[in-house]
Amino acid sequence: DAGVTQSPTHLIKTRGQQVTLRCSPKSGHDTVSWYQQALGQGPQFIFQYYEEEERQRGNFPDRFSGHQFPNYSSELNVNALLLGDSALYLCASSLVTSGSSETQYFGPGTRLLVL
Amino acid sequence: GQQVMQIPQYQHVQEGEDFTTYCNSSTTLSNIQWYKQRPGGHPVFLIQLVKSGEVKKQKRLTFQFGEAKKNSSLHITATQTTDVGTYFCAGHRSEKLVFGKGTKLTVNP
Repeated sequence: DAGVTQSPTHLIKTRGQQVTLRCSPKSGHDTVSWYQQALGQGPQFIFQYYEEEERQRGNFPDRFSGHQFPNYSSELNVNALLLGDSALYLCASSLVTSGSSETQYFGPGTRLLVL
Repeated sequence: GQQVMQIPQYQHVQEGEDFTTYCNSSTTLSNIQWYKQRPGGHPVFLIQLVKSGEVKKQKRLTFQFGEAKKNSSLHITATQTTDVGTYFCAGHRSEKLVFGKGTKLTVNP
């Protein structure tokens, strides 16, 4: 039973560039949430996707966008990268029909460095 | 917006000593979750507390949820070197998880 997978594991970009990060949820899960974790901080919620739509969004600018595909996998896109976007980007999957607030399972993350 | 505060930020203990981290929310939570993140790793789910006053145990770990569902604690008895890592609480409200900044635990053998 595969857990949550993310690609790439590491990425280096320069300011102003665009980046796409990918996530495949745990088998049987239908919801994907994205988090940004800066060094020494807790994960910050970016947004959540369910049924291919953005269901909830945190306090992040429109430069951050996402997509969910019919197979439940998801992408996070960040445009016009800033130095402050350097962080560990975590994807977490869950099952929205579990009947209670979902337990989220995190992937290993993508470490993004913006130079 | 919803804030989740966690203290202490750092805790260094001798192996065998106890450890406690505390979590406080500015608003009532539907539930609270605890995660452990090892250095270089990703958060791993430990437990979820839902009921007011709930107490749950996992071997040497004891988790409590306050009566007002605004605070929580994690207590580790007789720490071991395998307990090192950062422990995060996360409040769940409106489908969104709000994480505290975490408590980084180091254990001196």
